[in-house]
Formats: sequence, structure tokens, C-alpha cells
Amino acid sequence: DIQMTQSPSSLSASVGDRVTITCRASQSIATFLNWYQQKPGEAPKLLIYGASSLQSGVSSRFSGSGSGTDFTLTINSLQPEDFASYYCQESYSTPLTFGGGTKVDIK
Amino acid sequence: EVQLVESGGGLVKPGESLRVSCAASGFTFSSAWMSWVRQAPGKGLEWVGRIKSKNDGGTTDYAAPVKGRFTISRDDSNNMFFLQMKSLKTEDTAVYYCASGFWALGAWGQGTQVSVSS
Repeated sequence: DIQMTQSPSSLSASVGDRVTITCRASQSIATFLNWYQQKPGEAPKLLIYGASSLQSGVSSRFSGSGSGTDFTLTINSLQPEDFASYYCQESYSTPLTFGGGTKVDIK
Repeated sequence: EVQLVESGGGLVKPGESLRVSCAASGFTFSSAWMSWVRQAPGKGLEWVGRIKSKNDGGTTDYAAPVKGRFTISRDDSNNMFFLQMKSLKTEDTAVYYCASGFWALGAWGQGTQVSVSS
């Protein structure tokens, strides 16, 4: 099974900050990497698929990059509605493993 | 509008069984690959399993912790998706989400709570 390691597990940031979250796969997964946002009490929401493609309706503040084993989610100019947890997920092979998550809260 | 609505969650004792359901609308359900994802209290997301569309073989895959105890099925004539859970353990306590997508999970239900406790 592929292991997904996300870092950091939590971070504090201010409105307007640029935030970067990383995800590392235990083996190459090409660009089969997706990013989700989850707010408390809500279902996850797909932000980025295929490592760098923005899901329809998602703000262009969000961007993804990477291939192989190392991936990054970047949030430009953090907004109040962006304070949430973020998860990466590989879709290269089953089981479709999620990273451990990154909680972004207000500094 | 794509909509996924889970139902059937509840409180059961260890060793018991439970079936949760997901009603789908707003998309061509028969062509969709459907997954179950769970989230234990205060924890991260855990993929449970998936069923492909019948056109793509209709095969199922499961995560190791549930393999042999959980069964995923679908009823394309009624746009329904199911998770049959047997021999439930306390560690299966979680919110169970149904989600659709071939590789990325683009649509999610609101989740149904499954609690396993004596």
C-alpha cells in the first residue's frame, strides 16, 4: 500500500498570508494526487485533482503542484473561509490512501 | 445538481451488523464509481472501499481493516449505493460518507454516524 505523509499537521496563519502544505508519497504516483478541504461538521470538498487541476467552482487562490512523490498545495492570500483542514489523497492504486491532514487555524 | 444522501447509521453493539445506504441524484449514477470514506471522531479521513460501474466491471476494492467484514454493492435501477457492515468493532465508530468519482472524489454526501459500543 502507498503511504501518504502530509506536513505540517497544523499551522497558524493570518488573513492574507500565503500557506504551503506538502504531501509525500511512499512511491511514485505520477500526478494521481488530489487535495480536499474539510470544515468542522461538513463533508470534505474536492479542491485540486490530478495534482494541479482546479476543481470547478474552487477559488483560484488554491493551486497544486508536484509529480512523482512530492506534492504541494498552496493557498495565496488566505481568507477567513479558508481556515479548515486539508487532506491529500493518492488515486494511483487502491487503497486510495489519504494523508493525515493539515489543520489551518487563525494566528 | 449532484446530490448524495446517506442513511441507516445508528448505534450497534460489537459483533452486530448494520447497512448504510446512499441515495444518488443529479448525475448518471450507473456510470459512476462510488466510494465509502469514514472519519473516526477527531481523526482524519479513511477510505473504506469502492465499487466500479458495471460497464467497468462492477468490481469492488476494500481497505485492509474492513476486508472480509464489509460489502459494497449498488442498485443502478434505483440509484442506490450500499455498505453492508458485519462483525462490527468499536474501532469502526465513525461518520461514513459516500462519494462519487473515478479517481478524485468530486461529490460527497453529508455523512451518517455509525457508533459501535457495548
